[in-house]
Amino acid sequence: QITLKESGPTLVRPTQTLTLTCTFSGFSFTTGGVGVGWIRQPPGKALEWVAVIYWNDDRRYSPSLISRATINKDTSKNQVVLILTNLDLGDTATYHCGHRTISGAFDFWGQGAMVTVSS
Amino acid sequence: EIVLTQSPDTLSLSPGERATLSCRASQSVANDYLAWYRHKPGQAPRLLISGASSRATGIPDRISGSGSGTDFILTINRLEPEDFAFYYCHQYGDSPKTFGQGTNLEI
Repeated sequence: QITLKESGPTLVRPTQTLTLTCTFSGFSFTTGGVGVGWIRQPPGKALEWVAVIYWNDDRRYSPSLISRATINKDTSKNQVVLILTNLDLGDTATYHCGHRTISGAFDFWGQGAMVTVSS
Repeated sequence: EIVLTQSPDTLSLSPGERATLSCRASQSVANDYLAWYRHKPGQAPRLLISGASSRATGIPDRISGSGSGTDFILTINRLEPEDFAFYYCHQYGDSPKTFGQGTNLEI
């Protein structure tokens, strides 16, 4: 059974850095093809793909966030970390992490972590 | 970047009816790598369809996906209360991966 859970701060000030952690179970980065991604949803808006990291350490980012986002994995802890720098109000969203199938869809998701950017 | 446009924005139906949701891509989706998700606020999104037409584990056969290239359809027959939610299409054939703006299926 694959599970994922997001954790991190609920309130962050503008210009600060956000660090979110996705802790998962039921799979491992030692398996070829595995990937974990971050997807966010601003209030009242659609889902937005943020970044993904693969078993081989390859990383992909949304073009709109590539200058501010970093995704890393800790295989020993079964965690994926998203770092987003220089936050602004537009980064307010629920952030989900998801397990990526070999073909690329997200078949398991975490419930999400709500992050508010406000002064 | 591939832009996905879903229609309609809102679909109002009753239990027992059929829902037809559309997702149109601005360019052809590689390998028809198109997924559909159901999402209820406060919950984890659920994968329904991947590869345009393959049902995910545990998804009943009254839910089906079709289409290829730039035009894709999600059909839900005999609507049940659990089906009333937001639906998103997602293309994962090209980077950056993108989502549609969503369709709200409401009673």
